[in-house]
Amino acid sequence: DTEVTQTPKHLVMGMTNKKSLKCEQHMGHRAMYWYKQKAKKPPELMFVYSYEKLSINESVPSRFSPECPNSSLLNLHLHALQPEDSALYLCASSQGNLVEQYFGPGTRLTVT
Amino acid sequence: GEDVEQSLFLSVREGDSSVINCTYTDSSSTYLYWYKQEPGAGLQLLTYIFSNMDMKQDQRLTVLLNKKDKHLSLRIADTQTGDSAIYFCAETSDNFNKFYFGSGTKLNVKP
Repeated sequence: DTEVTQTPKHLVMGMTNKKSLKCEQHMGHRAMYWYKQKAKKPPELMFVYSYEKLSINESVPSRFSPECPNSSLLNLHLHALQPEDSALYLCASSQGNLVEQYFGPGTRLTVT
Repeated sequence: GEDVEQSLFLSVREGDSSVINCTYTDSSSTYLYWYKQEPGAGLQLLTYIFSNMDMKQDQRLTVLLNKKDKHLSLRIADTQTGDSAIYFCAETSDNFNKFYFGSGTKLNVKP
């Protein structure tokens, strides 16, 4: 099983809402990632979790709050987002840190 | 961050070979990758190469790495319309704490 799943597929939220994105993998991978991708651009790394601990935070604003409840799950909690945060949010996982990452299908987020 | 550059567009006819190019600046790269992204979808890992290799072949895909020129290429043989997508090259730094994507090449395959 080389699948990374993400829910929801689409999310529309207002600037005062609180929502969460979820990601799951059952490949036994020890590293998990959140990326943000704007249209016609490459993905930008946001966070890296290694062995359930946050190892990299690429200076992401605090309105994005990651959480890794266990080695298979990764959440991204969203609060007080701005319209410019609208993007495709991709989750990925890998056996080792920042190698051979497998991506989920993404959550298309629209902030109104 | 490090620069990883790709040409923006490539158009080929079905059945021809496609060659997508990538140049990078980080001479300490350890792994180099090719990902495929179809519209509205996530990224699919196609293949990767270790920095101590110069070629890797996997079915219709051939990856060539020229470390001296910091140039990576992906050749797709017998290109099909289903190969139409955006292709990203990417690299992992030698200390495994940086991961860079190229800007992406949109491949259009004409029937």
